[in-house]
Amino acid sequence: EVQLLESGGGLVQPGGSLRLSCVASGFAFSNYALSWVRQAPGKGLDWVSAITISGTTTYYADSVKGRFTISRDNSQNTLYLQMNSLRAEDTAIYYCAKPGPYFDSWGQGTLVTVSS
Amino acid sequence: EIVMTQSPATLSVSPGERATLSCRASQSVSSNLAWYQQKPGQAPRLLMYGASTRATGIPARFSGSGSGTDFTLTISSLQSEDFAVYYCQQYNNWPRTFGQGTKVEIK
Repeated sequence: EVQLLESGGGLVQPGGSLRLSCVASGFAFSNYALSWVRQAPGKGLDWVSAITISGTTTYYADSVKGRFTISRDNSQNTLYLQMNSLRAEDTAIYYCAKPGPYFDSWGQGTLVTVSS
Repeated sequence: EIVMTQSPATLSVSPGERATLSCRASQSVSSNLAWYQQKPGQAPRLLMYGASTRATGIPARFSGSGSGTDFTLTISSLQSEDFAVYYCQQYNNWPRTFGQGTKVEIK
């Protein structure tokens, strides 16, 4: 069974940083690209970033480009999202998702709240 | 960026009735379209990919159609567990983009 477990969310002040992690199990982690998708409270789904199998190619939504960095450690079956210069509009549940290339598996998400 | 537009925003349907949800892309996405269902407090669940292929475990009352820019998700006979928010998503181009969602509520 595919499992994706996110962690690292919390309350952070505007301009601050957080690093999210997603530990995967139940599938061959190093054989799949992965993504982060977020959902602001009461709003729809918003794709954030993706990374290829080797980690050499990354993609970002315009809204986070230059502030967020996606990475992966295939030896640890872990996906990361480094979030810098956080803004109030980054407040959301952040989901780790396994694309195939559609998102066939999702974690339960980790809540990031950006507020002073 | 490809903009995905769903309609209607809210659909009120009685149990046992048919529901038809629409999704339109601002440019062609071929058949690279997925549908997701999301219930309150839960992560989204993949329903359909390739515009018309049901994901594993999805009941046959769900069907998808369309290609290019216009797509439809049909639920043939709504069950109580189908009342939820539905999102379409294109995976033809970067960035990946979602529609704003259609809420299917009990009439």
